[in-house]
This record gives sequence, structure tokens and C-alpha cells, in this order.
Amino acid sequence: EAQVTQNPRYLITVTGKKLTVTCSQNMNHEYMSWYRQDPGLGLRQIYYSMNVEVTDKGDVPEGYKVSRKEKRNFPLILESPSPNQTSLYFCASSFGTGGSGANVLTFGAGSRLTVL
Amino acid sequence: QKEVEQNSGPLSVPEGAIASLNCTYSDRGSQSFFWYRQYSGKSPELIMFIYSNGDKEDGRFTAQLNKASQYVSLLIRDSQPSDSATYLCAARAGGFKTIFGAGTRLFVKA
Repeated sequence: EAQVTQNPRYLITVTGKKLTVTCSQNMNHEYMSWYRQDPGLGLRQIYYSMNVEVTDKGDVPEGYKVSRKEKRNFPLILESPSPNQTSLYFCASSFGTGGSGANVLTFGAGSRLTVL
Repeated sequence: QKEVEQNSGPLSVPEGAIASLNCTYSDRGSQSFFWYRQYSGKSPELIMFIYSNGDKEDGRFTAQLNKASQYVSLLIRDSQPSDSATYLCAARAGGFKTIFGAGTRLFVKA
């Protein structure tokens, strides 16, 4: 089944304790992206990647890191989480090039993170 | 700041009616436009995408694009209670960023 898999789905942590949210896709997509979703603010892009070793900042990158060492994986790293990073996080992927249909995003199930 | 704006709603329509959802975008370079549906606690899923001016129909759904007015809409005909969800409008420019609106909550009353 074609899918984007995120882990963990739920996590409660404390301020300053480094954590990684993993994201993996099995569709051979070139484009991958991380979003956070907060009430009233919609989906805001954190980082995206056009291909292996190619990443760029989205609209809210502060406090986050990413890496793209393999095409299928795009982990989101919070080096020193703070309470304002409490949010619902979505990983998404698409083919990324070609016609407009190639830009359709497939989302993971989401990871709800609480930072105390 | 490139933006996509939507009325947050909620928009309430009776079962069987037409629901009309609207969206405007600020970046004239936007080329592709998407409507995603998101049920509470779930991830967004694509309903339709459109990139040419005019209408695009898929079953009960019609997307409309007017690039001159920087306006995108989604019509849902014969609305059903199962259509109750948040509808996200998104725009993608020639670069690689997809910008989402905050979403419109739709309630379809049985």
C-alpha cells in the first residue's frame, strides 16, 4: 500500500530533551515536506526537500532540523524542544516534478507532540 | 509573505444543498491549486486540483479557478452529512512550497 508513515504518533516530552520524528514513504517520491498544524493557523510548512541531500526552509523553520540522506526518509529533529513546539505535525510527499498532478501531496497520519 | 486566505466558517448547509467554499491567494506566480478535506483528528486528503482557468468537475465536486481575480472555489453539490469536515485550500507556485489556507469548517445538517 502506498503510504507515508510517521512515528511516533503521540509523544509527550519535556523542554530541552532532543527528539526525532521519523517519516518514510514507499512511493519513490522526490519531494517531502514537514508541516505543523495549530488551531486557527492551518498547516504551516517547516522544511521541505526536493531530493536526497537537498533541503530548504519553509515558513516556520526555527527550532527544527531535517536531513534527507535517503530518498524514502525525511526525519524531523527537535534539538531542544520548547512548549511552543507543541503541535500536530504532518509529513507529506509528492512526485514533485512534471505536471500539476505530480504536486499532489500524500500525508502521513500525523504526530501529536506535547512539550511540557 | 505569500498567503492563502479562507473564511474559517463554520459554514452550515442542509443536506442536499450546494456548499460553496472560497479561497483567495496573494502570489500571482501560483500555478497549481488544491482542495484537501480533513476530518477531525485525521490527515488531509486530496479532493481535487486545478491549474487552468475555469471549472473542473469530479462527481459532486466542482473546482473553479479565476487567476485574474486570484480566486479559487469549491462547490459541493447534494451535500451529505459525511461531507462535514474542514476544507483546506492550497496553492503552489513555480517553486517547491505549497501554501495552505487555515481551512473552512463545513457542517452539513441532516
